[in-house]
Amino acid sequence: KQEVTQIPAALSVPEGENLVLNCSFTDSAIYNLQWFRQDPGKGLTSLLLIQSSQREQTSGRLNASLDKSSGRSTLYIAASQPGDSATYLCAVRRDNAGNMLTFGGGTRLMVKP
Amino acid sequence: NAGVTQTPKFQVLKTGQSMTLQCAQDMNHEYMSWYRQDPGMGLRLIHYSVGAGITDQGEVPNGYNVSRSTTEDFPLRLLSAAPSQTSVYFCASSPNPYEQYFGPGTRLTVT
Repeated sequence: KQEVTQIPAALSVPEGENLVLNCSFTDSAIYNLQWFRQDPGKGLTSLLLIQSSQREQTSGRLNASLDKSSGRSTLYIAASQPGDSATYLCAVRRDNAGNMLTFGGGTRLMVKP
Repeated sequence: NAGVTQTPKFQVLKTGQSMTLQCAQDMNHEYMSWYRQDPGMGLRLIHYSVGAGITDQGEVPNGYNVSRSTTEDFPLRLLSAAPSQTSVYFCASSPNPYEQYFGPGTRLTVT
């Protein structure tokens, strides 16, 4: 059974810092991995999706990497801003048949002005 | 497009009551899913559908039923609510296996 772990569970940083969020998964046979952002009381917004054949994806100040063989992904946020404060979730997709995602518990990020 | 809509936003039930959480999407997506989110446990898949008339169980299906009579709607039914079903419920839809669009969630409390 696939298990996804995110460390740390919570993180507080001053504005302007570069930071890394970690995601690990137990079964390397994944189809792709997706990072989401969740604001309090809201649904999830997709940030980046990395196919299993890819090593990284970039969008603005965000960069996600994937090392499938070691079961790890990182989300790098450059020059953090207070507006980045949210919970960040990673999820792995088992295959391309049923769209089943297995989620980690999330990292709650607070960026202080 | 309204995207993915969920009703109600909040609900309080007594143990043993039944209810239906509504989910609708206006993007003509084939794939729809229901997740529950509990503190510290991330989201867990309850049921999903790959098209009208087709549904399947996810990771935690017990106590829930679904049906998909139209492409637009994917209701989740709680047959006999239990306190363990207190959670936030998210519906998601996608046009393919690669993307997910999430609704705003329904916060359910069972007393």
